[in-house]
Amino acid sequence: GDSVTQMEGPVTLSEEAFLTINCTYTATGYPSLFWYVQYPGEGLQLLLKATKADDKGSNKGFEATYRKETTSFHLEKGSVQVSDSAVYFCALRSSSGYALNFGKGTSLLVTP
Amino acid sequence: NAGVMQNPRHLVRRRGQEARLRCSPMKGHSHVYWYRQLPEEGLKFMVYLQKENIIDESGMPKERFSAEFPKEGPSILRIQQVVRGDSAAYFCASSPRRDQETQYFGPGTRLLVL
Repeated sequence: GDSVTQMEGPVTLSEEAFLTINCTYTATGYPSLFWYVQYPGEGLQLLLKATKADDKGSNKGFEATYRKETTSFHLEKGSVQVSDSAVYFCALRSSSGYALNFGKGTSLLVTP
Repeated sequence: NAGVMQNPRHLVRRRGQEARLRCSPMKGHSHVYWYRQLPEEGLKFMVYLQKENIIDESGMPKERFSAEFPKEGPSILRIQQVVRGDSAAYFCASSPRRDQETQYFGPGTRLLVL
């Protein structure tokens, strides 16, 4: 079945450091891929998405490129801020479905 | 424009009691999805509903769990005779239609079973 694997956390970075959170997936067909962010005590917010191969999703300085050849959707940001501290979830939705399939989440802590 | 509303935000129950979790979708959204997040885990799909219909409940435990989305009022996730293993965060999401790519999530209900 479909699945998402993302790097284990927690990830601790200094402010203005470069961020990469790895995400790989297993799916049949052509899934849509998502990154959601969860701030402490809150629900999930959509950060960015990509619906087909080679699409790049971007938002708030974060980027991720849908790589079908490597079945990956790694999240990157060039310069993180303290306010980026949160849990980041990679997810997919199969081309024939509607339910989102989530990774376990990666906790990010950015220190001043 | 209010987002997805869930209440209560926190719920404490003793083993054997019932838990009722409510979800009001965003205005104009008629599709509701429930997910469960166990500690240290990602979210797992439970059930997908439209108004007055359960479309897919393949992720729901076979016993004690039920969900509804009546014509009027919020969607309800009901857990009867709760056990400690039911302790989790339960998130509701909504979308305006089935093929809508983006699901909008509520803040979740954190259930603790003592």
